[in-house]
Amino acid sequence: QVQLVQSGAEVKKPGASVKVSCKASGYTFTGNYIHWLRQAPGQGFEYMGWIDPNSGGTMYMQNFQGRVTMTRDTSISTAYMELSSLTSDDTAVYYCARFPSALDVPPNWGQGTLVTVSS
Amino acid sequence: EIVLTQSPGTLSLSPGERATLSCRASQSVSGGRLAWHQQRPGQAPRLLIYSTSSRATGIPDRFSGSGSGTDFSLTISRLEPEDFAVYYCQHYDRPPLAFGGGTKVEI
Repeated sequence: QVQLVQSGAEVKKPGASVKVSCKASGYTFTGNYIHWLRQAPGQGFEYMGWIDPNSGGTMYMQNFQGRVTMTRDTSISTAYMELSSLTSDDTAVYYCARFPSALDVPPNWGQGTLVTVSS
Repeated sequence: EIVLTQSPGTLSLSPGERATLSCRASQSVSGGRLAWHQQRPGQAPRLLIYSTSSRATGIPDRFSGSGSGTDFSLTISRLEPEDFAVYYCQHYDRPPLAFGGGTKVEI
């Protein structure tokens, strides 16, 4: 079955960077997009962007331009999301999700990774 | 960009009752490209409905979606204990895709 397994929780200091991984299994990794979203405590979802694992092409939402980098390693079916210059406002659960295309619905989500930014 | 507004923020009901959740879009969502997701406490979201009214794999038929244009709804015909959760609508009509703020269904 399709699984997206994310890396574990992180605690970072303001100004640092964090890199979250998302390992895919049960489907052709290069045949679907990986999108990233985050959810601050008690809040709704904030959409961050996507990566096409086949081409490496990316789209980042304007709110994250210049601070986010999405990459992938097709040899291990893993996508990565790195966010830099962290502030306390970046404290959230970060989710990866499998989308069939750039504009679609996600039939599968990762379990989420809690990133806490605190001095 | 399309902004989705969900109402009510919280719905207080009992098991066995009917729940109706609303999602209003700031612009018309063409092609019915509107989905609904369920998120139980401490869990990742789960896709319930896509294309306005199509149930995702394994979703029971007490969940149904309807609507068009700017007004969409999710109906749960008879609430089961496991249905008490937060529900989010999502459009995928044009970039950027977006989610609504959520409706919490509580006992």
